[in-house]
Amino acid sequence: AIQMTQSPSSLSASVGDRVTITCRASQGIRDDLGWYQQKPGKAPKLLIYAASTLQSGVPSRFSGSGSGTDFTLTISSLQPEDFATYYCLQDYDFPFTFGQGTKLENK
Amino acid sequence: EVQLLESGGGLVRPGGSLRLSCAASGFTFDSFAMSWVRQAPGKGLEWVSTITDSGGRTYYADSVKGRFTISRDNSKNTLYLQMNSLRAEDTAVYFCAKLLGDSGYYSIGHWGQGALVTVSS
Repeated sequence: AIQMTQSPSSLSASVGDRVTITCRASQGIRDDLGWYQQKPGKAPKLLIYAASTLQSGVPSRFSGSGSGTDFTLTISSLQPEDFATYYCLQDYDFPFTFGQGTKLENK
Repeated sequence: EVQLLESGGGLVRPGGSLRLSCAASGFTFDSFAMSWVRQAPGKGLEWVSTITDSGGRTYYADSVKGRFTISRDNSKNTLYLQMNSLRAEDTAVYFCAKLLGDSGYYSIGHWGQGALVTVSS
C-alpha cells in the first residue's frame, strides 16, 4: 500500500498568516491527490483535487501544488473559519490512503 | 444539490453483523463510483471500500476484506455496506462518499454526515 506522510501533525497560526501543509507519498502517484478539510463533528469537505484543481465553491486562498511524491496545500491568508483538521488522500491506486492529518489551531 | 444520507448504524456485539445504507440524491447515481470511509473516535480518516458506477468492480481495505461487502442498487439510488464478523476496532463513524468519476480512480467529491457504528459487548 502507498504510504502518505503528512506534516506537520499540528500547527499554530494566526488569522492572516500564510500556512503550508505537506504530504509525501511512498511512491509516485502522478497528480492523483486530494486535500480535505474537516471540522469537529462534521464530514470532511473536498478543497483540492488532482493536486492543484480548486473544487467549485472553495475560496481562492486555498491552493495545491505538487506531482509525483511531494505535495503542498497552501492557505494564503488564514481566515477564522479555516481552523480545522486537514487531510490528503491519494487516489492513484487501491487501497486509497489518507495522510495522518494536520490540526490547524489558533495561536 | 448532492445529498447522501446514511442509515443503519447502531450498537452491535462483537462477531455480529450490520448493514449500512446510503440514500443518494441530487446527481445521476449510476454515473459515479461510491465509497465508504470511516473514522474511529478521535482518529483520522480510513478508506474502507469503493464500488464502480455499474457495480462491476469493488475494492476493499485489507482491514475489512472478507468481512465487509459493498454493493449498490442503481434503481434505488442506494449504496450499501454489509458488515459481518464485527470487531471492537470497527467502531467508527462511517461516511458514505461520492467520487468525482465513474471508475473508482477519482477523488472523493462529496460526503454524507456519517453513521456511528459501535461494536461492544
